[in-house]
Amino acid sequence: EIVLTQSPDFQSVTPKEKVTITCRASQNIGTSLYWYQQKPDQSPKLLIKYASQSFSGVPSRFSGSGSGTDFTLTINSLEAEDAATYYCHQSDSLPQTFGQGTKVEIK
Amino acid sequence: QVQLHESGPGLVKPSETLSLTCTVSGGSVRNYWWSWIRQPPGKGLEWIGYIYYSGNTNYNPSLKSRVTISVDTSKNQLSLKLSSVTAADTAVYYCARVDGGGCDFWGQGTLVTVSS
Repeated sequence: EIVLTQSPDFQSVTPKEKVTITCRASQNIGTSLYWYQQKPDQSPKLLIKYASQSFSGVPSRFSGSGSGTDFTLTINSLEAEDAATYYCHQSDSLPQTFGQGTKVEIK
Repeated sequence: QVQLHESGPGLVKPSETLSLTCTVSGGSVRNYWWSWIRQPPGKGLEWIGYIYYSGNTNYNPSLKSRVTISVDTSKNQLSLKLSSVTAADTAVYYCARVDGGGCDFWGQGTLVTVSS
């Protein structure tokens, strides 16, 4: 099973700051990496597919990069509505797995 | 826009079988894989398994002996059955459409509590 490790677990950020969340895979997954945003009491929402492609309707301040084992989600100019937990997810091999999540709080 | 809606009992007794249905509207179950994913209260996401509209399935080995996922194309529905449940199976259960590997549309989720 592929283990995805996100860092940090928690981040407290001021509006307009840049946020960087990393996801490291325990083995090479190519670009089969997805990022989701989950707000309290809501289902996750897809932000980024194939490591770097933005999903339809996602604000342009969200971007993804990486391949192989190291991936990054970047939120440029954080807005208050971005307070949420962010998860990475791999579909390269079964079972599919998720990172443990990174909670982003607005200061 | 595709919408998914999970339904089923919110309370299941230990050792019994959890049964949920996911109804898909605004689109067809055909030509897609469909995942079930769960999230224990306050914790992260766990992939349970997925099914292709033709009936092909793949399950998480950690649950494989207890899980059955099926699809009814005539009703545009998926179903999840998890047998011999314990308190550790208490979670919000989501169904989601798989597009290119990632889950692009999710249901709102349904909380299932395992308790006597």
